[in-house]
Amino acid sequence: DTAVSQTPKYLVTQMGNDKSIKCEQNLGHDTMYWYKQDSKKFLKIMFSYNNKELIINETVPNRFSPKSPDKAHLNLHINSLELGDSAVYFCASSQGIQGANYGYTFGSGTRLTVV
Amino acid sequence: EDQVTQSPEALRLQEGESSSLNCSYTVSGLRGLFWYRQDPGKGPEFLFTLYSAGEEKEKERLKATLTKKESFLHITAPKPEDSATYLCAVRGADSWGKLQFGAGTQVVVTP
Repeated sequence: DTAVSQTPKYLVTQMGNDKSIKCEQNLGHDTMYWYKQDSKKFLKIMFSYNNKELIINETVPNRFSPKSPDKAHLNLHINSLELGDSAVYFCASSQGIQGANYGYTFGSGTRLTVV
Repeated sequence: EDQVTQSPEALRLQEGESSSLNCSYTVSGLRGLFWYRQDPGKGPEFLFTLYSAGEEKEKERLKATLTKKESFLHITAPKPEDSATYLCAVRGADSWGKLQFGAGTQVVVTP
């Protein structure tokens, strides 16, 4: 199936641990994004890569580090997890920056719970 | 900074009872206003992009309209399968593809 797929879907971990979330898209898009959705349902952008180049880096703690090994993959590594990092993290893709106007394609999300 | 405010937060409708959702926005150089639908446990699904005041778009029972300050999503004769959270977002000038989302309106349609 053509899609944006994220793994894992659920992640429960203790404070202080380091974890990674992986995202892959097979739509042939060249721009990928990480969004965070908090308990109040606000979706806020964290990072965006265009052709493996970081183009958006919002004000997020430097414990969060994205990596894009190629156009089809965008991973998110989080160090020293804190309770406040608990949220749903969504990966999305579009064809170019202008392609955002035709709508992102979102993954199904990774629900991160820090205990 | 771009801002999006959606109202109401929640809306409960009887099947067939038409209604409208509001999205008020402030943005520097609107490059697009977007509507997405989000079902529980899933990622948002793209519905529409509107670019300029006066523009309208339709899809099945949904119709989106745009003015210079707000957008409306009209749901005509809703069915239970229209139950979802509807998200509004804007893209401004120099946004590099970034969308600013509102908090959404949760719609429940009962038979």
